[in-house]
Amino acid sequence: KNQVEQSPQSLIILEGKNCTLQCNYTVSPFSNLRWYKQDTGRGPVSLTIMTFSENTKSNGRYTATLDADTKQSSLHITASQLSDSASYICVVSAAQAGTALIFGKGTTLSVSS
Amino acid sequence: GAVVSQHPSRVICKSGTSVKIECRSLDFQATTMFWYRQFPKQSLMLMATSNEGSKATYEQGVEKDKFLINHASLTLSTLTVTSAHPEDSSFYICSARGEGSNYGYTFGSGTRLTVV
Repeated sequence: KNQVEQSPQSLIILEGKNCTLQCNYTVSPFSNLRWYKQDTGRGPVSLTIMTFSENTKSNGRYTATLDADTKQSSLHITASQLSDSASYICVVSAAQAGTALIFGKGTTLSVSS
Repeated sequence: GAVVSQHPSRVICKSGTSVKIECRSLDFQATTMFWYRQFPKQSLMLMATSNEGSKATYEQGVEKDKFLINHASLTLSTLTVTSAHPEDSSFYICSARGEGSNYGYTFGSGTRLTVV
Protein backbone atom coordinates (compact mmCIF):
# COMPACT_ATOMS: atom_id res chain seq x y z
CA LYS A 1 0.00 0.00 0.00
CA ASN A 2 1.33 3.44 -0.93
CA GLN A 3 1.88 5.44 2.23
CA VAL A 4 3.75 8.51 3.42
CA GLU A 5 4.60 8.84 7.10
CA GLN A 6 5.90 12.02 8.65
CA SER A 7 7.52 12.69 12.00
CA PRO A 8 7.31 14.33 14.35
CA GLN A 9 3.63 15.19 14.27
CA SER A 10 4.39 18.55 15.86
CA LEU A 11 7.47 20.46 16.89
CA ILE A 12 8.17 23.61 18.90
CA ILE A 13 11.49 25.39 18.54
CA LEU A 14 12.98 28.74 19.46
CA GLU A 15 13.54 31.36 16.83
CA GLY A 16 16.98 31.06 15.30
CA LYS A 17 17.31 27.33 15.93
CA ASN A 18 17.55 24.65 13.27
CA CYS A 19 15.24 21.70 12.91
CA THR A 20 14.80 18.61 10.77
CA LEU A 21 11.54 17.01 9.70
CA GLN A 22 11.34 13.42 8.54
CA CYS A 23 9.38 11.64 5.83
CA ASN A 24 9.30 7.91 5.12
CA TYR A 25 7.42 6.48 2.19
CA THR A 26 6.44 3.16 0.71
CA VAL A 27 5.28 4.46 -2.66
CA SER A 28 6.23 2.31 -5.62
CA PRO A 29 7.17 2.85 -8.36
CA PHE A 30 8.57 6.15 -7.16
CA SER A 31 8.51 9.25 -9.34
CA ASN A 32 9.25 12.26 -7.20
CA LEU A 33 8.95 13.68 -3.70
CA ARG A 34 7.85 17.17 -2.81
CA TRP A 35 7.87 19.21 0.36
CA TYR A 36 5.17 21.82 0.80
CA LYS A 37 4.65 24.53 3.40
CA GLN A 38 1.07 25.22 4.36
CA ASP A 39 0.23 28.25 6.45
CA THR A 40 -2.99 28.07 8.46
CA GLY A 41 -5.98 28.73 6.23
CA ARG A 42 -3.91 28.79 3.06
CA GLY A 43 -3.10 26.38 0.26
CA PRO A 44 0.21 24.46 0.21
CA VAL A 45 3.21 26.18 -1.35
CA SER A 46 5.95 24.11 -2.96
CA LEU A 47 9.37 24.21 -1.30
CA THR A 48 11.29 21.48 -3.13
CA ILE A 49 10.76 18.72 -5.67
CA MET A 50 13.20 15.82 -6.01
CA THR A 51 13.36 12.91 -8.41
CA PHE A 52 14.95 9.52 -7.87
CA SER A 53 18.41 10.71 -8.90
CA GLU A 54 18.51 13.77 -6.67
CA ASN A 55 19.97 13.53 -3.17
CA THR A 56 19.56 17.08 -1.98
CA LYS A 57 17.86 20.26 -3.01
CA SER A 58 17.85 23.65 -1.35
CA ASN A 59 15.46 26.57 -1.38
CA GLY A 60 16.84 29.36 0.76
CA ARG A 61 16.90 28.21 4.37
CA TYR A 62 15.15 24.97 3.43
CA THR A 63 17.20 21.94 2.43
CA ALA A 64 15.60 18.65 1.50
CA THR A 65 17.40 15.34 1.24
CA LEU A 66 16.30 12.12 -0.39
CA ASP A 67 17.55 8.57 0.06
CA ALA A 68 15.71 6.53 -2.53
CA ASP A 69 17.26 3.30 -1.27
CA THR A 70 15.86 3.62 2.23
CA LYS A 71 12.85 5.61 1.01
CA GLN A 72 13.46 8.43 3.40
CA SER A 73 13.50 12.18 3.04
CA SER A 74 14.19 15.02 5.40
CA LEU A 75 13.57 18.74 5.38
CA HIS A 76 16.09 20.82 7.27
CA ILE A 77 15.23 24.37 8.25
CA THR A 78 18.13 26.60 9.14
CA ALA A 79 17.99 29.64 11.42
CA SER A 80 14.25 29.39 11.91
CA GLN A 81 12.06 32.46 11.82
CA LEU A 82 8.63 33.12 13.29
CA SER A 83 7.21 33.01 9.78
CA ASP A 84 8.34 29.39 9.46
CA SER A 85 5.48 28.41 11.77
CA ALA A 86 3.29 26.28 9.53
CA SER A 87 2.47 22.73 8.55
CA TYR A 88 5.07 20.99 6.39
CA ILE A 89 3.72 18.30 4.14
CA CYS A 90 5.66 15.56 2.37
CA VAL A 91 4.01 14.43 -0.87
CA VAL A 92 5.10 11.54 -3.05
CA SER A 93 4.16 10.91 -6.65
CA ALA A 94 4.10 7.42 -8.10
CA ALA A 95 5.41 6.76 -11.59
CA GLN A 96 2.14 5.30 -12.68
CA ALA A 97 -0.31 6.98 -14.99
CA GLY A 98 -3.44 8.10 -13.22
CA THR A 99 -2.01 7.72 -9.73
CA ALA A 100 -2.80 10.61 -7.47
CA LEU A 101 -0.31 12.28 -5.16
CA ILE A 102 0.16 10.57 -1.81
CA PHE A 103 0.15 13.03 1.06
CA GLY A 104 1.72 12.70 4.47
CA LYS A 105 -0.24 14.08 7.40
CA GLY A 106 2.25 16.85 7.90
CA THR A 107 4.42 18.18 10.71
CA THR A 108 3.16 21.25 12.51
CA LEU A 109 6.07 23.52 13.31
CA SER A 110 5.77 26.32 15.84
CA VAL A 111 8.61 28.80 16.11
CA SER A 112 8.53 30.92 19.23
CA SER A 113 10.50 34.00 20.23
CA GLY B 1 6.08 30.64 -11.88
CA ALA B 2 2.77 28.86 -12.14
CA VAL B 3 -0.04 30.59 -10.29
CA VAL B 4 -3.43 29.22 -9.38
CA SER B 5 -6.12 31.60 -8.19
CA GLN B 6 -8.97 30.27 -6.08
CA HIS B 7 -12.10 32.23 -5.15
CA PRO B 8 -13.71 32.94 -2.85
CA SER B 9 -11.30 32.57 0.03
CA ARG B 10 -14.13 32.42 2.54
CA VAL B 11 -17.83 31.84 2.17
CA ILE B 12 -20.68 31.42 4.62
CA CYS B 13 -23.93 30.02 3.33
CA LYS B 14 -27.22 28.83 4.68
CA SER B 15 -28.01 25.16 4.89
CA GLY B 16 -29.71 23.96 1.72
CA THR B 17 -28.14 26.48 -0.62
CA SER B 18 -25.43 25.86 -3.20
CA VAL B 19 -21.96 27.36 -3.31
CA LYS B 20 -19.60 27.62 -6.27
CA ILE B 21 -15.82 27.74 -5.87
CA GLU B 22 -13.63 28.78 -8.79
CA CYS B 23 -10.09 27.70 -9.55
CA ARG B 24 -8.14 29.44 -12.31
CA SER B 25 -4.66 28.85 -13.66
CA LEU B 26 -3.35 32.31 -14.43
CA ASP B 27 -0.23 31.73 -16.49
CA PHE B 28 -0.46 28.20 -17.78
CA GLN B 29 -2.97 25.81 -19.26
CA ALA B 30 -4.16 23.32 -16.70
CA THR B 31 -5.05 20.10 -18.45
CA THR B 32 -5.78 18.45 -15.11
CA MET B 33 -7.23 19.95 -11.97
CA PHE B 34 -7.65 18.32 -8.59
CA TRP B 35 -10.05 19.19 -5.80
CA TYR B 36 -9.18 18.46 -2.19
CA ARG B 37 -10.92 18.76 1.12
CA GLN B 38 -9.07 19.35 4.35
CA PHE B 39 -10.40 19.04 7.89
CA PRO B 40 -8.66 20.76 10.81
CA LYS B 41 -5.27 19.27 11.60
CA GLN B 42 -5.71 16.70 8.85
CA SER B 43 -3.95 16.28 5.54
CA LEU B 44 -5.52 17.01 2.18
CA MET B 45 -8.02 14.43 0.95
CA LEU B 46 -8.47 14.11 -2.78
CA MET B 47 -12.10 14.46 -3.79
CA ALA B 48 -11.92 14.34 -7.55
CA THR B 49 -9.71 14.72 -10.59
CA SER B 50 -10.92 16.58 -13.65
CA ASN B 51 -9.47 16.77 -17.12
CA GLU B 52 -10.46 19.59 -19.42
CA GLY B 53 -13.49 18.76 -21.47
CA SER B 54 -14.31 15.47 -19.78
CA LYS B 55 -16.20 14.30 -16.75
CA ALA B 56 -14.49 14.36 -13.41
CA THR B 57 -13.30 11.19 -11.70
CA TYR B 58 -14.45 11.06 -8.12
CA GLU B 59 -12.72 9.30 -5.26
CA GLN B 60 -14.54 6.58 -3.43
CA GLY B 61 -17.06 7.97 -0.97
CA VAL B 62 -17.38 11.38 -2.63
CA GLU B 63 -20.90 12.08 -3.90
CA LYS B 64 -20.65 13.31 -7.47
CA ASP B 65 -24.18 14.70 -7.38
CA LYS B 66 -23.38 16.76 -4.34
CA PHE B 67 -19.97 18.02 -5.43
CA LEU B 68 -20.36 19.09 -9.04
CA ILE B 69 -17.12 19.71 -10.89
CA ASN B 70 -16.86 21.49 -14.20
CA HIS B 71 -13.61 21.86 -16.14
CA ALA B 72 -14.85 23.54 -19.28
CA SER B 73 -11.65 25.34 -20.22
CA LEU B 74 -7.91 24.92 -19.82
CA THR B 75 -7.78 27.69 -17.25
CA LEU B 76 -10.93 27.25 -15.19
CA SER B 77 -12.45 24.56 -13.03
CA THR B 78 -15.36 25.00 -10.66
CA LEU B 79 -16.59 23.02 -7.69
CA THR B 80 -20.22 23.48 -6.72
CA VAL B 81 -21.36 22.19 -3.37
CA THR B 82 -25.08 21.59 -3.84
CA SER B 83 -27.65 21.66 -1.05
CA ALA B 84 -24.92 22.33 1.45
CA HIS B 85 -25.21 21.08 5.02
CA PRO B 86 -23.18 21.95 8.12
CA GLU B 87 -21.14 18.76 7.72
CA ASP B 88 -19.90 20.12 4.38
CA SER B 89 -18.15 22.90 6.24
CA SER B 90 -14.47 22.45 5.46
CA PHE B 91 -11.43 23.87 3.71
CA TYR B 92 -11.50 23.17 -0.03
CA ILE B 93 -8.33 23.43 -2.10
CA CYS B 94 -7.78 23.06 -5.82
CA SER B 95 -4.58 22.09 -7.58
CA ALA B 96 -3.69 22.40 -11.24
CA ARG B 97 -1.18 20.63 -13.45
CA GLY B 98 -0.01 21.69 -16.88
CA GLU B 99 0.22 19.46 -19.92
CA GLY B 100 3.20 17.13 -19.98
CA SER B 101 4.29 18.08 -16.50
CA ASN B 102 4.64 15.56 -13.74
CA TYR B 103 6.26 18.22 -11.63
CA GLY B 104 3.93 21.14 -11.68
CA TYR B 105 1.22 20.62 -9.09
CA THR B 106 0.33 24.16 -8.08
CA PHE B 107 -2.22 24.70 -5.36
CA GLY B 108 -4.80 27.42 -4.97
CA SER B 109 -5.03 29.37 -1.73
CA GLY B 110 -8.08 27.45 -0.55
CA THR B 111 -11.69 28.26 0.29
CA ARG B 112 -13.07 28.11 3.81
CA LEU B 113 -16.71 27.05 3.55
CA THR B 114 -18.97 27.45 6.56
CA VAL B 115 -22.54 26.21 6.30
CA VAL B 116 -24.87 27.56 8.96
